[in-house]
Amino acid sequence: SYVLTQAPSVSVAPGKTARITCGGNNIGSKSVHWYQQKPGQAPVLVIYDDSDRPSGIPERFSGSDSENTATLTISRVEAGDEADYYCQVWDSSSDLVVFGGGTKLTVL
Amino acid sequence: EVQLVESGGGLVQPGGSLRLSCAASGFTFRSYSMNWVRQAPGKGLEWVSYISSSSSSSAIYYADSVKGRFTISRDNAKNSLYLQMNSLRAEDTAVYYCARGSLTGDAPFDYWGQGTLLTVSS
Repeated sequence: SYVLTQAPSVSVAPGKTARITCGGNNIGSKSVHWYQQKPGQAPVLVIYDDSDRPSGIPERFSGSDSENTATLTISRVEAGDEADYYCQVWDSSSDLVVFGGGTKLTVL
Repeated sequence: EVQLVESGGGLVQPGGSLRLSCAASGFTFRSYSMNWVRQAPGKGLEWVSYISSSSSSSAIYYADSVKGRFTISRDNAKNSLYLQMNSLRAEDTAVYYCARGSLTGDAPFDYWGQGTLLTVSS
């Protein structure tokens, strides 16, 4: 089955740039979606189709991908960005949705 | 305003059954695929099941962990999504979210409910 690998945690100082990666075999050929989840809340879509932002999501959030790695970049990080972030794809070979294990972003 | 409201969670003994519901409003429910996603306490997100937008010939998929035990369904006339859960196990304990997809399986989940908690314990 398809596996998405995320680092468990990333720390960044306020005002700096956070990069959260999601590794998967040939992930560049898939549409990658990213979700933000704060404690006690439902997930929120922050990036879809690799690099598109839903309305209402700040321009500070951006996405990119290469052959085997997708990256969520958060520029000018704020305290309010502290959350868990999950990547997600559809594995068409098995008709399954796959989530990464999640990355906890800590703002120092 | 798009709203998804889950209900039906609670405490169930191992081996028991329960049906979760998700009431949708604020959009044309029949035009969207829907999903169930769960999150065990302190753990990450786990996709559970998908149902396509068409009720007459719905495509339905399940995670291996629930295949054969859970059944997803929808009633477009009632704008509702369901998850029938049988042979429940302790490892099914989680908050269950319904989430809206779109026309295709690789669509993002753009709206989520607030979740309903299922606890499987004796």
